[in-house]
Amino acid sequence: DADVTQTPRNRITKTGKRIMLECSQTKGHDRMYWYRQDPGLGLQLIYYSFDVKDINKGEISDGYSVSRQAQAKFSLSLESAIPNQTALYFCATRAGGRDTDTQYFGPGTRLTVL
Amino acid sequence: GQQVMQIPQYQHVQEGEDFTTYCNSSTTLSNIQWYKQRPGGHPVFLIQLVKSGEVKKQKRLTFQFGEAKKNSSLHITATQTTDVGTYFCAGNTGNQFYFGTGTSLTVIP
Repeated sequence: DADVTQTPRNRITKTGKRIMLECSQTKGHDRMYWYRQDPGLGLQLIYYSFDVKDINKGEISDGYSVSRQAQAKFSLSLESAIPNQTALYFCATRAGGRDTDTQYFGPGTRLTVL
Repeated sequence: GQQVMQIPQYQHVQEGEDFTTYCNSSTTLSNIQWYKQRPGGHPVFLIQLVKSGEVKKQKRLTFQFGEAKKNSSLHITATQTTDVGTYFCAGNTGNQFYFGTGTSLTVIP
């Protein structure tokens, strides 16, 4: 959805570099998520946030950190990138308060770590 | 930990044939959602199932949620080339969604 944007869309970096992926949304949703997608593994949850002051680890948080700067912005950082963090990264948003609301995904960021 | 297994991983069908993908969770789910991801695209929500034994239809797509709320299926009748993509289930335990590994569907014209 155009309501969820991610920057950059593609990034190539070297091992050991610090990388930040940005996500912005105009849907007014409280909940935001970061996933990584690897071939044959589906989507794995890295971090999620239910509001600006609430950050939670997902299944595979090691090597990643996040910042929820505002309701509309959720950033993912790789402090020291390594090659096995090469993947497609998706941000998603979801309205809060009910567990039946759908997630809306951004277009994805393709990250390559050399 | 929580796991959602999805089979098959790949499926090739002739146009007009039916297609089914299955999801199984290791624990009871509060609800399950299905997403479709076109090649080069991002996951797009298709439907959610909440009630035990629920069945929902969207044109040629039929979705089922098991009685124990631990499994689900997506069935496509008479596939078309526009059905190409990867189909994911996502089981919700309340706080997190656990995605299945996806089934990649190829439709041969």
